[in-house]
Amino acid sequence: DTEVTQTPKHLVMGMTNKKSLKCEQHMGHRAMYWYKQKAKKPPELMFVYSYEKLSINESVPSRFSPECPNSSLLNLHLHALQPEDSALYLCASSSGQGAKTQYFGPGTRLLVL
Amino acid sequence: KNQVEQSPQSLIILEGKNCTLQCNYTVSPFSNLRWYKQDTGRGPVSLTIMTFSENTKSNGRYTATLDADTKQSSLHITASQLSDSASYICVVRPNSGAGSYQLTFGKGTKLSVIP
Repeated sequence: DTEVTQTPKHLVMGMTNKKSLKCEQHMGHRAMYWYKQKAKKPPELMFVYSYEKLSINESVPSRFSPECPNSSLLNLHLHALQPEDSALYLCASSSGQGAKTQYFGPGTRLLVL
Repeated sequence: KNQVEQSPQSLIILEGKNCTLQCNYTVSPFSNLRWYKQDTGRGPVSLTIMTFSENTKSNGRYTATLDADTKQSSLHITASQLSDSASYICVVRPNSGAGSYQLTFGKGTKLSVIP
């Protein structure tokens, strides 16, 4: 199984809502990533988890809160988002933080109204 | 500063024709270069990966080349199909080290295949 799954596929939320994005992989990977991708732009790294601990936070606003409940799951909790946070949120995983290959999920398309 | 430049920015070709996409990078030291295909609103899907010592690699109708001396790569698509319409992104990973997780993405080439 070389698949990274993400739910939901689409999400519409208001600026006062609280929602969560979920990511799952069963490849035994120990590093997982969240990326944000705006239209016609390359993905931008947000967070890196290595062995279920937050390893990298690329100066992401606190309205984005990552969580890694176990080695297969990665969540991104959203609260008080702004319309400019609307984007495609991609999850990726790799065997280790410096591994050769990152496998990407299909993404969650988020619209903040 | 690590950079990946892709050209052209966009490309329109007729179904059945071939095309070549270009990627120039300044990432150093270099570990590997990967071409991804990304459909609109979807996650990137890996097409090929090449390490420093590899010059060419094929995956079906996709053939990637790499010249590590000039820091250039190309992706050649043969006998294009309508389903090839997507963005093609060149991604370079630095060599092992503290920053090896930090991939450098190109802005992509948007390919449109028309009947």
